[in-house]
Amino acid sequence: QVQVERSGAEVKKPGASVRLSCKASGYTFTDYYMHWVRQAPGQGPEWMGIIDPNGVNTNYAQKFQGRVTMTRDTSRNTVYMELNSLRSDDTAVYFCARGARVASGLIDYWDPGTLVSVSS
Amino acid sequence: DIVLTQSPGTLSLSPGERATFSCRASQRISNRYLAWHQQRPGQAPRLLIYGASSRASRIPDRFSGSGSGTDFNLTISRLEPEDFAVYYCQQYGSSPGTFGQGTTVEIK
Repeated sequence: QVQVERSGAEVKKPGASVRLSCKASGYTFTDYYMHWVRQAPGQGPEWMGIIDPNGVNTNYAQKFQGRVTMTRDTSRNTVYMELNSLRSDDTAVYFCARGARVASGLIDYWDPGTLVSVSS
Repeated sequence: DIVLTQSPGTLSLSPGERATFSCRASQRISNRYLAWHQQRPGQAPRLLIYGASSRASRIPDRFSGSGSGTDFNLTISRLEPEDFAVYYCQQYGSSPGTFGQGTTVEIK
């Protein structure tokens, strides 16, 4: 059974950085790509990027290029997402999500998400 | 980027009724790489349908998907109380993956 241990909710000021973690268990972590997706209040999901099973390659949405870094520690079954230069419109629930074996771009499992609030 | 437009925005129906809603893409989606996710209030989304018409694991057969090219549909044959939720389509045929803005199925 897939289980995820997430870092807790964050409150940040504009201009700060946030680093979120997502520790997975219940499956072979190194077999799967991992996505980060965010959802602002009342909005649809927004894809941020993906990291490959070994943590070597990443692909970020153009909107977040230069501001986001995704990493992976395979020894800890954990993925991380750091977002810099936070703005108020970065307030959202951030999900780590598993890419399916049949197609890595397909999300087949979403974690419960972590709320990041950005406010002065 | 491929833009996905879902309609209607809100569907008001009663339990037991049939629900059908659509997702239209701004460009052809290759390999029918279109998925549907359900999001209940306060919960994370969960995968219902992938490859336009394949049900994900443990998804009841009252959920069915259809379509190809740029036009896709999700049908719920008989609404159960737990089906009242928001439904999002996602295309994963082109990078970046994109989502629609959602269709809310609410109790009439």
